[in-house]
Amino acid sequence: GQQLNQSPQSMFIQEGEDVSMNCTSSSIFNTWLWYKQDPGEGPVLLIALYKAGELTSNGRLTAQFGITRKDSFLNISASIPSDVGIYFCAGRYNFNKFYFGSGTKLNVKP
Amino acid sequence: GAVVSQHPSWVICKSGTSVKIECRSLDFQATTMFWYRQFPKQSLMLMATSNEGSKATYEQGVEKDKFLINHASLTLSTLTVTSAHPEDSSFYICSASRNRGNEQFFGPGTRLTVL
Repeated sequence: GQQLNQSPQSMFIQEGEDVSMNCTSSSIFNTWLWYKQDPGEGPVLLIALYKAGELTSNGRLTAQFGITRKDSFLNISASIPSDVGIYFCAGRYNFNKFYFGSGTKLNVKP
Repeated sequence: GAVVSQHPSWVICKSGTSVKIECRSLDFQATTMFWYRQFPKQSLMLMATSNEGSKATYEQGVEKDKFLINHASLTLSTLTVTSAHPEDSSFYICSASRNRGNEQFFGPGTRLTVL
């Protein structure tokens, strides 16, 4: 069955550092989404990607849709304490269901 | 835009009772709504997909008679957990899409505790 691997599982970084996380799938996707979830709340959509090679930014966040269509990356530049949370990737092919990554827990030390 | 609400935000009930959770898209019409379940420190597990006016499509292993889903309008879907048991305790999150599932917008979630 479909497998979606997200890494790293957790990160501890210093405020001001850049962050990078990624997701890889066992099959191709044509949509990738990146979400952030705070404790006790629903995920919030950060960036949506629909085309292989697409690079999209949202403030300090940048995400890319891998050329192979089997991976995606999320970068956060100049991290700040409010970036703390769990980041999820989600991908799907055509209009099938979305598969979610296991999440990357980000901790930022002031 | 793209705001999704859920009600209640948390609920505590006795074993054997039924609980209804509402999911509303506040500023857009949702052609498709999704219901997820999330255990602590885990990812989201899709339970079912519902399109307005039609029966929900349940994921393998999800009991349709236990988790009743109704999507009566383009802005409202409900999940009813029937005869709830302690193992049903979880964080239930809905999401809504206005474009056949591209871009899902999540509600804030409902914490269900069954005693």
